[in-house]
Amino acid sequence: EIVLTQSPGTLSLSPGERATLACRASHSVSSTYVAWYQQKPGQAPRLLIYGASSRATGIPDRFRGSGSGTDFTLTISRLEPEDFAVYYCQHYGTSPRNTFGQGTKIEIK
Amino acid sequence: QLVESGGGLVQPGGSLRLSCGASGFTFSMYWMTWVRQAPGKGLEWVANIEQEGRQTYYVDSVKGRFTISRDNAKNSLYLQMSGLRAEDTAVYYCARDLEHYNILTGSYNSDYYYGLDVWGQGTTVTVSS
Repeated sequence: EIVLTQSPGTLSLSPGERATLACRASHSVSSTYVAWYQQKPGQAPRLLIYGASSRATGIPDRFRGSGSGTDFTLTISRLEPEDFAVYYCQHYGTSPRNTFGQGTKIEIK
Repeated sequence: QLVESGGGLVQPGGSLRLSCGASGFTFSMYWMTWVRQAPGKGLEWVANIEQEGRQTYYVDSVKGRFTISRDNAKNSLYLQMSGLRAEDTAVYYCARDLEHYNILTGSYNSDYYYGLDVWGQGTTVTVSS
């Protein structure tokens, strides 16, 4: 079973700053099976990144996913006010079929 | 668009059936997934089902208690929940699961996972006496 650990739990940043979110898998996984989601309070999650580095439809290019093996990163180059939210990484596997990390919250400093 | 319904307050040990109505896309073409979120907690994948309903997968904590199903003629996804426990209290989301389907090219690639790209607004299940 793959366990995803996200860090940090909370990131305090200002608009315009760069955000770097980490997702570590308990075992090496295929990068093409890693996705990232954004969730704002009271809303459903939104797909940001699939295949570790491909942006989903309509996602601005300030969002960038990268990584391989056990370490994956979501980078937001310059934070916009609407980017303050919780971010989850996800792994598609076999058992269980899907696993989410516990989330990283980006809050306004 | 996906719209969930059927949530509510239920006693421990009770049952509930969630529904998710789909519109705006060809429902029968896609895997579908249920994801839940306990109050103040993160996302937890619950179950998914392939296009014809013949393959289903569950997280261990709900195996034997929850059943995912679909009716493609009604563009609807279901989650039958029984033996409910306090720890099942959550907002339950249905989501379209692209699995290995590249929606941009209309092709399949088993080497890629394309994510959960359409989500409903969620329905709340509270298990309490």
